[in-house]
Amino acid sequence: DVKVTQSSRYLVKRTGEKVFLECVQDMDHENMFWYRQDPGLGLRLIYFSYDVKMKEKGDIPEGYSVSREKKERFSLILESASTNQTSMYLCASSDRGGFGPTDTQYFGPGTRLTVL
Amino acid sequence: RKEVEQDPGPFNVPEGATVAFNCTYSNSASQSFFWYRQDCRKEPKLLMSVYSSGNEDGRFTAQLNRASQYISLLIRDSKLSDSATYLCVANNNNDMRFGAGTRLTVKP
Repeated sequence: DVKVTQSSRYLVKRTGEKVFLECVQDMDHENMFWYRQDPGLGLRLIYFSYDVKMKEKGDIPEGYSVSREKKERFSLILESASTNQTSMYLCASSDRGGFGPTDTQYFGPGTRLTVL
Repeated sequence: RKEVEQDPGPFNVPEGATVAFNCTYSNSASQSFFWYRQDCRKEPKLLMSVYSSGNEDGRFTAQLNRASQYISLLIRDSKLSDSATYLCVANNNNDMRFGAGTRLTVKP
């Protein structure tokens, strides 16, 4: 079974703090993704990576950065947390490909971040 | 306009009922499609892929209509454990677009 783990299930931070969210997958997947999920908006892609040291902006990258120094690890960084970044953050991974019905993404348990 | 649209529900059905969810997607280049299930405060988990010819997995049937850009999920003989939010997904080369989800509550 694919296993995607995230460093924290719940996190409370103050406005202006730097926040690190860690994600690790154990299936040797090339692709890794960071989403945030908000009620009524669904999942929105923040950043993704198709390879080590590679990163691409998703739909809502503003206020975020990422790091992928190792294949199994993808970190999301909030440089200066703001209250509108309070959300559920979900990491996902998938194997190389991306075209067919088996090329799906597997999610970590999520980190519920509250910024006060 | 959202790329993937779903009726948010909620759908409240009795045990044993048949319920259908619909979803439309706007990107005609989408190549693969999925239904995910998400329990409250949990991560989305793959329920099933959706094949062009339609496919069935036990009580669940998924259909795809590429011409109308429409995906459906049918759940027969609903169980209490089917209560969850169901997310429709359209994928184009790893660019997965998620619907906001349809909430289902199955009641005794």
